[in-house]
Amino acid sequence: KQEVTQIPAALSVPEGENLVLNCSFTDSAIYNLQWFRQDPGKGLTSLLLIQSSQREQTSGRLNASLDKSSGRSTLYIAASQPGDLATYLCAVRGATDSWGKLQFGAGTQVVVTP
Amino acid sequence: DVKVTQSSRYLVKRTGEKVFLECVQDMDHENMFWYRQDPGLGLRLIYFSYDVKMKEKGDIPEGYSVSREKKERFSLILESASTNQTSMYLCASSLQGLDYNEQFFGPGTRLTVL
Repeated sequence: KQEVTQIPAALSVPEGENLVLNCSFTDSAIYNLQWFRQDPGKGLTSLLLIQSSQREQTSGRLNASLDKSSGRSTLYIAASQPGDLATYLCAVRGATDSWGKLQFGAGTQVVVTP
Repeated sequence: DVKVTQSSRYLVKRTGEKVFLECVQDMDHENMFWYRQDPGLGLRLIYFSYDVKMKEKGDIPEGYSVSREKKERFSLILESASTNQTSMYLCASSLQGLDYNEQFFGPGTRLTVL
């Protein structure tokens, strides 16, 4: 069974520093990996989706890499801002899944200090 | 922009009541999902639907049922609410197929069962 792990569970960085968030998964047979942001008490916002054939995906200050063979993805957020305060979750879709179901990590809670 | 809406942000019900949670999406997505999110347990899939009137059990379907009579609407039903169903409930939708099937989430419903 696919297991998705995000370490650390919480991260605090000074404003302006780059954020590095890690996601690992046990089964490398995946269709895609998706990164989400969840503001406190709110729903999830999709940030990036990386197909299994891709190595990275970029959107503004966000860059996500995927190393399928080693079961890892990293989300980089450049020049962190106080508004980046949120929990960041990664989720994978397994290659044997016909319906688009996702397996989620527990998330990394980010705090940006002034 | 994809929009997924949920009928209530906050709901308080009594033990034994029948509870309906409604989710509507406006992007003609085939797939719709219901999750619950609890501290320490992350997101867990309750049910999903891949077409009108079609449904599949997720990881934790016990105590829940669902209904999908129209493509844009997916309802989660708690037949007899219990205190252990106090949770944050999140609805999501996505296209079918293998490529670019991002899941888009609603704002969530925080349900308290007294």
